[in-house]
Amino acid sequence: QVQLVESGGGVVQPGRSLRLSCVASGFTFRNYGMHWVRQAPGKGLEWVAITWNDGKKKYYADSAKGRFTISKDNSKNTLYLQMNSLRAEDTALYYCTREFNDNAFDIWGPGTMVTVSS
Amino acid sequence: QSALTQPASVSGSRGQSIIISCTGSTSDIGGYDYVSWYQQHPGKAPKLIIYDVSSRPSGVSNRFSGSKSGNTASLTISGLQAEDEADYYCSSYASTNTRLFGGGTKLTVL
Repeated sequence: QVQLVESGGGVVQPGRSLRLSCVASGFTFRNYGMHWVRQAPGKGLEWVAITWNDGKKKYYADSAKGRFTISKDNSKNTLYLQMNSLRAEDTALYYCTREFNDNAFDIWGPGTMVTVSS
Repeated sequence: QSALTQPASVSGSRGQSIIISCTGSTSDIGGYDYVSWYQQHPGKAPKLIIYDVSSRPSGVSNRFSGSKSGNTASLTISGLQAEDEADYYCSSYASTNTRLFGGGTKLTVL
């Protein structure tokens, strides 16, 4: 079945780095743009970044620009989010999600939790 | 990149209809017919229920409908059921290939 599974979350100190992964299965990964969306504890959804299906174009939320890098390895059916210079406000559940119809998000993973704390 | 504006909470009785609004600007909701809505139950990932302003994905109940006027989009849920109690989020395509979410609306079914 169509599935996304994130990993790589954990507890990290402010200023450190973390790389999240999202493995896709059940669909042709190379045909889809992919996003990262996060949700701080008890808060709403926040869009983080998108990479196009071929991985060549990438766009970021202002909160992620310059610190986060989204990438896509179509040979491994895997989406990544490299997060540098982490801050307490980056603490959230990070979801990997598939783009649908050039604007919506139709498939979501269960998320991986990132906690930035000293 | 300001979040879209949604009411924090709405409520309705079983069988009734409710409307959740989502207000943006000409740079997002008003500029594109790319509004989507998501339902999120506690501890679960969001679920797509409306895309392209008013289209429903396969398997989503026709009790859910969407519309847009100017810079404001709306989600209508008719015939409220207990299982509709959840958080609802709107989202829009925005200029420069970014996306925006609303702050979320908690629906209580009385």
